[in-house]
Amino acid sequence: AQTVTQSQPEMSVQEAETVTLSCTYDTSESDYYLFWYKQPPSRQMILVIRQEAYKQQNATENRFSVNFQKAAKSFSLKISDSQLGDAAMYFCAYRRGNTGTASKLTFGTGTRLQVTL
Amino acid sequence: EPEVTQTPSHQVTQMGQEVILRCVPISNHLYFYWYRQILGQKVEFLVSFYNNEISEKSEIFDDRFSVERPDGSNFTLKIRSTKLEDSAMYFCASTRAGYEQYFGPGTRLTVT
Repeated sequence: AQTVTQSQPEMSVQEAETVTLSCTYDTSESDYYLFWYKQPPSRQMILVIRQEAYKQQNATENRFSVNFQKAAKSFSLKISDSQLGDAAMYFCAYRRGNTGTASKLTFGTGTRLQVTL
Repeated sequence: EPEVTQTPSHQVTQMGQEVILRCVPISNHLYFYWYRQILGQKVEFLVSFYNNEISEKSEIFDDRFSVERPDGSNFTLKIRSTKLEDSAMYFCASTRAGYEQYFGPGTRLTVT
C-alpha cells in the first residue's frame, strides 16, 4: 500500500521569506501523481500544485514550486515570498496513475505553517 | 470558475439516526469521491464512484454507508445508525479522468 509521510508537524516562516515543507512517499508504482493541498482555517481543501511522476521538470505555480526527487521518493514544497495568507495546514497527497480510473488520494498527516510578521 | 458544492455546511444528528450529505460535483466530471477528516487528523478516503457504481471503498466505508447519484447532478453519502465516531468533516471531490481532484467546502457532521 502507498504511504505518504510528512515529518514536520509545524513550521514557521517570516513574511517575505522562503520555506520548504517536506514530504516522502512509498510506492511500487511507476506511474503516479503527487499533489500539495492547502487547508486554511475554513477547512476547505485547495489544490496548490501537482506533479506527474513521468515529468522530470519540477512543477511551479507562481510563488509555489516543488522539488521532486523520484529516486529518493521525495516531494517537497517551496513557498517563496511568504504571505500572511499562506498560513494554513498543508497536505501532501499521492495518487496512482492509470488515467481513466477513479484512483483515490492518499494523504500525509499535514504540516501546519505559521507566517509571522 | 466551476466548483464542487456541498450541503449542508453543518449537520447535527443524534446517535442512531440517519443522515444524508449532499454534493453537486463539477458538471463535466466523471469520477466522484467522499473523504472524511476527523478534527486534527489527516484526510481519509471513503469511497470512489464512477459510471453509477462504486469503484473502490475503504475499510471505513462499512455497511452503514452508502452512496448514490440519484440524478445527473447530485452525489449523496448516506450514513445509517450514526455513531459518535462518525463525527468528522466530510469532503466530496470530483475529477475528470486523470486530473486532479477538486474538493467541496465540506460538511461538518456532529453526532451527539
